[in-house]
This record gives sequence, C-alpha cells and structure tokens, in this order.
Amino acid sequence: KAGVTQTPRYLIKTRGQQVTLSCSPISGHRSVSWYQQTPGQGLQFLFEYFSETQRNKGNFPGRFSGRQFSNSRSEMNVSTLELGDSALYLCASSSGLGTPWRGANVLTFGAGSRLTVL
Amino acid sequence: DQQVKQNSPSLSVQEGRISILNCDYTNSMFDYFLWYKKYPAEGPTFLISISSIKDKNEDGRFTVFLNKSAKHLSLHIVPSQPGDSAVYFCAAGVQGAQKLVFGQGTRLTINP
Repeated sequence: KAGVTQTPRYLIKTRGQQVTLSCSPISGHRSVSWYQQTPGQGLQFLFEYFSETQRNKGNFPGRFSGRQFSNSRSEMNVSTLELGDSALYLCASSSGLGTPWRGANVLTFGAGSRLTVL
Repeated sequence: DQQVKQNSPSLSVQEGRISILNCDYTNSMFDYFLWYKKYPAEGPTFLISISSIKDKNEDGRFTVFLNKSAKHLSLHIVPSQPGDSAVYFCAAGVQGAQKLVFGQGTRLTINP
C-alpha cells in the first residue's frame, strides 16, 4: 500500500508570495489533516477535511486555507507569506470514520513539505 | 496555551537500558493519548495509544502508562535499541474529533 505523498518536499519563497502544497492520501482514506511543525512548538493542527468538507479547523489566520478533491487528494494554500510561516507542513490521512487513536483511524503522516520563507 | 507538554527536549540512554519519556497535559477532557516517533526527513509514525479508561497499554518493548489524577503519561521502552533514536511526540485527543494536540517532542538518543 502506498503511503501518504506530499509535494513538493522542499521549497523556498519570499515574503508576500503565496504557496500551494499537495497531499495524496493512502488509497481508501477519506480524511486528510494538515499540521505545522516548528522548532519548540511541536505539531500544530491546521485543519481536517473529510469527503471534500472541512470538518475541523485549528487556530491559524485566514491566510491558511485548504481544500479536498473528490479523489481525497488535498491541497493547502498559504497566502501573503511571512517569515514565521517557515516550517515543516505535514499531511496525515486516515479513514476518518472514528477517533484517530487506533486501527484504521490512526493518522498516517507523509514526510512533509519544508517551506522556507526569506 | 500548551495543553500537552513534554518538558524534556532531549534524553540520552544506554543501549539495553530503559528509556522513559514523559508527557503532561492540562485538559481533563482528553479521551485518548498516543505516542508518535519521528526520524529525520520522515513523517511521524504511530507507536502506541491508550484510552483514558485504561492506565496501561503494552505493545512489545513499548508500554504507555497513564496517570489521570496527575494528568501525566509516560512511554517506557525496554530494552532500548539504537534504532529507537528518534524524536518522540505525545499527542492527545477528544472522542469524536479528528484533531490531535501534540507536545513539543523529546529527542531520544540511544548510546551503544
């Protein structure tokens, strides 16, 4: 079974630009979640999509947005980039049919997209 | 507001000995807890979980202990192996919500 695929793996942008990151979940998984990892902050929840609908949202500004397509692939977009947006952005997929602490509901993460904002 | 805290940024343990990683939380509404392991350039991988109705869960060399009154959980790895060197994240969640709250992580180094 192929894992969660994130593209691009690395990218460099400048302040004010926007960026789009892509995530292909494990086949059959309908839930895709996005997390931001920064040094000292751990992973912080951005949002979660299930069957093309945003089900949960974290405490990030509106510059951070996402969407999910009918094939469960997801994209997240960050507009008007700031230096503080430099981070590893992780995508995770699961069945989405129960709470994510066991079995097929456990989150499986991709390797992440490392964004550097200059 | 850091609801899940891992107060030790790093831990060094001799191969073959026990590794104990700690995690504290503040939200008494959490229903379940998980540990993830992360190697460099890879995504976090699920290790073990525990429901709030249990106080212990074992899976091979890994055991998670939950002390609800102290709002504390720990991960024990026995015996520690070089391949266990990684960053370990504890996470918590509420039943019905597809959202995990993670700690900052603890870098575990196993010395030969």
